[in-house]
Amino acid sequence: KAGVTQTPRYLIKTRGQQVTLSCSPISGHRSVSWYQQTPGQGLQFLFEYFSETQRNKGNFPGRFSGRQFSNSRSEMNVSTLELGDSALYLCASSWGSMGVWGEAFFGQGTRLTVV
Amino acid sequence: SQQGEEDPQALSIQEGENATMNCSYKTSINNLQWYRQNSGRGLVHLILIRSNEREKHSGRLRVTLDTSKKSSSLLITASRAADTASYFCATVPDTGANSKLTFGKGITLSVRP
Repeated sequence: KAGVTQTPRYLIKTRGQQVTLSCSPISGHRSVSWYQQTPGQGLQFLFEYFSETQRNKGNFPGRFSGRQFSNSRSEMNVSTLELGDSALYLCASSWGSMGVWGEAFFGQGTRLTVV
Repeated sequence: SQQGEEDPQALSIQEGENATMNCSYKTSINNLQWYRQNSGRGLVHLILIRSNEREKHSGRLRVTLDTSKKSSSLLITASRAADTASYFCATVPDTGANSKLTFGKGITLSVRP
């Protein structure tokens, strides 16, 4: 079956703009989590959605938001981009609550560069 | 904030040697997982060990868990150049349904041919 698909793979934006990233989980998976990965901070948890409800949120400013649709696809949005938002954004999906019942499956990530 | 912390931060070995990576964590866990990431790509799950387990094997991988010391180790035997990657431990705290999967900063493993 198809894996986790993230689009786009690469993105270049200007400071102050906003961006929307998309994640299509594995069919049947209800939980989607988002992570930000940077060389300095490593993998930082952004949020988890389960059956369209935000279940958990990491320590990020309100400029970072997300949502999940009824087909489990998820989007995350970053408004008023800052240079420090440049990162690899990773999406993961799992059948149940992320990581509790088994492994998380990751997409290839979206590389966001803010100039 | 990171729950797990891996040690060492970087490891360089010769092909055929064994690689041992360690992970320490702070709070009680439901389970601990190890993932691999090839340069700039997504993470791939390697192995999961639950809090009531002490050791698990998967192919050339062996994971141990010591809940009294809040630590885990990942052993890769007979390493290959293709094992060159970053390795992360991830923990799920034992806090119920709203637990989240939290990663350490990772270990960079280089296997020299």
